[in-house]
Amino acid sequence: KNEVEQSPQNLTAQEGEFITINCSYSVGISALHWLQQHPGGGIVSLFMLSSGKKKHGRLIATINIQEKHSSLHITASHPRDSAVYICAVAKAAGNKLTFGGGTRVLVKP
Amino acid sequence: DGGITQSPKYLFRKEGQNVTLSCEQNLNHDAMYWYRQDPGQGLRLIYYSQIVNDFQKGDIAEGYSVSREKKESFPLTVTSAQKNPTAFYLCASSLTGIPGYTFGSGTRLTVV
Repeated sequence: KNEVEQSPQNLTAQEGEFITINCSYSVGISALHWLQQHPGGGIVSLFMLSSGKKKHGRLIATINIQEKHSSLHITASHPRDSAVYICAVAKAAGNKLTFGGGTRVLVKP
Repeated sequence: DGGITQSPKYLFRKEGQNVTLSCEQNLNHDAMYWYRQDPGQGLRLIYYSQIVNDFQKGDIAEGYSVSREKKESFPLTVTSAQKNPTAFYLCASSLTGIPGYTFGSGTRLTVV
């Protein structure tokens, strides 16, 4: 079993819909990252969380340390949100990241 | 602006040839990492370095080599011993012990 599991693997939404991506992990962590990868391949860091909730524009990320679970929400989704969203955790022992398999999001106009 | 530069963006090589991927950062980050991404799979750690002149193997180091002669640079060599080298390679950096990563834009290597 992977240490970081994401769901769903693929998601298609209509423009304007609310999107939720889930991430569960099974190890102790110092931080959890949400990343965005566009078709060109480059990765952008969206959020780094160690507790609670963060918001940036239409993106909201939450984490529940006790349940070892995090969610990424996209409100009022737009076609430009189409990308692969990746959850990654930094274990307590160091800075190396362990990645989930990614969630491919397609937002249709 | 500070960041990580990976070059080239696309690279083609013949089977059996060694190839070196470049990764340079001007963020004054101590730690640097190389990850490999295959279609439909998560990123996997190849090698990482937390200090100049020192590096450790990651989960899939076989067939790869690295060097860390300067803080700014962490080149990755894909050797002919790597059985399936065609993949997308990402470099990242961080300050040791402090959560927070910066990623490069990646190099897509195709071996024909």
